[in-house]
Amino acid sequence: AQRVTQPEKLLSVFKGAPVELKCNYSYSGSPELFWYVQYSRQRLQLLLRHISRESIKGFTADLNKGETSFHLKKPFAQEEDSAMYYCALLMDSSYKLIFGSGTRLLVRP
Amino acid sequence: NAGVTQTPKFRVLKTGQSMTLLCAQDMNHEYMYWYRQDPGMGLRLIHYSVGEGTTAKGEVPDGYNVSRLKKQNFLLGLESAAPSQTSVYFCASQPGQGAIGELFFGEGSRLTVL
Repeated sequence: AQRVTQPEKLLSVFKGAPVELKCNYSYSGSPELFWYVQYSRQRLQLLLRHISRESIKGFTADLNKGETSFHLKKPFAQEEDSAMYYCALLMDSSYKLIFGSGTRLLVRP
Repeated sequence: NAGVTQTPKFRVLKTGQSMTLLCAQDMNHEYMYWYRQDPGMGLRLIHYSVGEGTTAKGEVPDGYNVSRLKKQNFLLGLESAAPSQTSVYFCASQPGQGAIGELFFGEGSRLTVL
């Protein structure tokens, strides 16, 4: 069955420290993966997608098909990065986006 | 430009009551979705629609019905509410083929079933 796993419910780091939010997926087809973010009192919004291979707000994520992972990374965390982060999987030939359970990132001053 | 608007934002129901959540989008998006968000479980897809007049089941459709009579509106109905349906409900829309996976979300509707 298709599944997205985010093993950490909470990740707490100090400002300036590197951050890695883990995401693993289970899917036999050709996956498309996304990271969504929800800041306090804001709507859930798209952060980045693996197809674009872009860096948004200093975050990057690389799709590793061998390890079925799509970890989100940032070399130096900022306090404004504190938010809820969701990894999501889009199954091919489908319009369904499946989300993981989310990881709350807390960046301490 | 309002984007995706959900009404109501808060509602308290008694077990067995019915209600409808309304989602409206003004972006002319083809696809619309209803998710529920529960602590520790993330967002789970309830139902979705790929166009006016069409709907499909998601991961957790039981106990819910939906309708998409107009392209801009996607209604989520609970015919007989149960405490297990206490949750925050999110509606989302997506432009179409050119932006697959890029969802625009509403602010959420918090539903409590007593």
